[in-house]
Amino acid sequence: DVKVTQSSRYLVKRTGEKVFLECVQDMDHENMFWYRQDPGLGLRLIYFSYDVKMKEKGDIPEGYSVSREKKERFSLILESASTNQTSMYLCASRVPYSRGHNEQFFGPGTRLTVL
Amino acid sequence: TQLLEQSPQFLSIQEGENLTVYCNSSSVFSSLQWYRQEPGEGPVLLVTVVTGGEVKKLKRLTFQFGDARKDSSLHITAAQPGDTGLYLCAGLTTDSWGKFQFGAGTQVVVTP
Repeated sequence: DVKVTQSSRYLVKRTGEKVFLECVQDMDHENMFWYRQDPGLGLRLIYFSYDVKMKEKGDIPEGYSVSREKKERFSLILESASTNQTSMYLCASRVPYSRGHNEQFFGPGTRLTVL
Repeated sequence: TQLLEQSPQFLSIQEGENLTVYCNSSSVFSSLQWYRQEPGEGPVLLVTVVTGGEVKKLKRLTFQFGDARKDSSLHITAAQPGDTGLYLCAGLTTDSWGKFQFGAGTQVVVTP
């Protein structure tokens, strides 16, 4: 059974803290994505990685950075958490677009609250 | 950014009724996917439509991609409580990386 796992389901942090969200996939997918989901706004792409050590900004990268040192792991970093980063964070993985209109497999999400 | 608008935002119906969810854009998408998300879980793919005018059926769910590949609809016949969830459409953008643009979602509640 294919799987995308995220390090925490719930996380509470304080303003100014550095926050790490980890995502691991076991499908040997090259592409990985980080989204945030807010009511009424849907999923918005923060960053994606098309292969190891490769990354591209999505639609809302400000305040975030990412790391992809190994194929199976994609980390989202909030350098200095702020209250407007309180959200549900979803990680996804996929085979490269060049191989077709493929399904994204999502993790269960991390609900982050920044106080 | 190629935007996708979903309507309605919320739909509450009785078991056995039919419903339709719409996903519209002024932009052309290479393909369009529909996902369902249940509370506490990530979205799960229901279908991918690729060709303009394409219709796909998944049991009681019928998906249609507009002729111009700018819009799509999801129709559920004889809805059941198990159909309750957040339905999201996602268009594959025309950029080289194959990124998806998501709609805001339609929350569907089917009561017995």
